[in-house]
Amino acid sequence: SQQGEEDPQALSIQEGENATMNCSYKTSINNLQWYRQNSGRGLVHLILIRSNEREKHSGRLRVTLDTSKKSSSLLITASRAADTASYFCATLSGNTPLVFGKGTRLSVIA
Amino acid sequence: GAVVSQHPSWVICKSGTSVKIECRSLDFQATTMFWYRQFPKQSLMLMATSNEGSKATYEQGVEKDKFLINHASLTLSTLTVTSAHPEDSSFYICSATDGGDGRNTIYFGEGSWLTVV
Repeated sequence: SQQGEEDPQALSIQEGENATMNCSYKTSINNLQWYRQNSGRGLVHLILIRSNEREKHSGRLRVTLDTSKKSSSLLITASRAADTASYFCATLSGNTPLVFGKGTRLSVIA
Repeated sequence: GAVVSQHPSWVICKSGTSVKIECRSLDFQATTMFWYRQFPKQSLMLMATSNEGSKATYEQGVEKDKFLINHASLTLSTLTVTSAHPEDSSFYICSATDGGDGRNTIYFGEGSWLTVV
């Protein structure tokens, strides 16, 4: 069964605005990863945050992790039309493979 | 960075035929490969975990006789959809990891679109 649940399922913003997506999960994890998927394409790994980390930055991306609430957020600052894609969180627990959430479809309008 | 190549990118086949999809790790040895299926506007659903030299581990509800997985080398895993039916039409994605600490990051192929007519 799926572990992560993204929120919102769909998000539409204007170019230049910030986009925030949330992810909740159910069990303890080793790490949580965010991926991006353009329509009909494979996944691109964006960022990984370990269970002992609280925040991580990569370019315009900022990820937070709250293990007490079993939640994570992905913030994309100064969004661009090229950021339009689906974003998935995925969790790694023990030796189990990545389990993906349902994803957030982000539309950035120029 | 590590690259995973998947082939073919898209394939159309007739109902009842078999289709093979290849997943190759190009610049690292993939001790473990994963096969996912994704229906339109849905998430990735894990089908099976493939370890080099051993039988694949299938997720509940995935027919092992229908979705044959072979991981014969450290750089190649194949998924064969046997006796394909229209309901098997989907986007299939493989991913690979080099195991150990490298397992923290998993690299994905570009996916294969299968249409069964």
